[in-house]
Amino acid sequence: AQSVTQLGSHVSVSEGALVLLRCNYSSSVPPYLFWYVQYPNQGLQLLLKYTTGATLVKGINGFEAEFKKSETSFHLTKPSAHMSDAAEYFCAVTPQSSASKIIFGSGTRLSIRP
Amino acid sequence: DVKVTQSSRYLVKRTGEKVFLECVQDMDHENMFWYRQDPGLGLRLIYFSYDVKMKEKGDIPEGYSVSREKKERFSLILESASTNQTSMYLCASTPRGGAIFSGNTIYFGEGSWLTVV
Repeated sequence: AQSVTQLGSHVSVSEGALVLLRCNYSSSVPPYLFWYVQYPNQGLQLLLKYTTGATLVKGINGFEAEFKKSETSFHLTKPSAHMSDAAEYFCAVTPQSSASKIIFGSGTRLSIRP
Repeated sequence: DVKVTQSSRYLVKRTGEKVFLECVQDMDHENMFWYRQDPGLGLRLIYFSYDVKMKEKGDIPEGYSVSREKKERFSLILESASTNQTSMYLCASTPRGGAIFSGNTIYFGEGSWLTVV
């Protein structure tokens, strides 16, 4: 069955430092890939998604992610962290065989140190 | 603006009670989902529906049922609430074809915090 693994349940970086949140999927056929952000006491918002085309995807708030088929990865990055980036981030996939289904990873809580 | 509205943000129920969680979306979306969110486990799919009166089990359907009598409304039912169902429940919707198409995305409600005592 399709699964998503997020390495690190909690990541802490200094303000201005690089943010790297890791996501790997398990599937012989690459799925469609997403990153979502959840601020405290809110639902989830889409940051970015990869379906086809360019493997480097730019999203909102300065985030981007690169699809690497050889590594079955879709890591999320941001060059310079801001205090407002503190939130929980979820990687998600939609199998090509079931476009209506979305499977989420366990989430990574991002903390920003002043 | 697309809205997914969950009628109850915070509920406290007793063990054995029947619990209804209601979700309404205003964008004529075909697909609707119920997830539960627990620390360290992320979002786990309970049930989803791709049309009126249609439903499919997700990864953790045990102890839950759903109802979709109208396109805009998707209800989650706990027939007999138990303490291990204390969680945050998220409703979501997407157009037909899901979130993969350009311009489509999955829209989430604000969540319903359920405590079973």
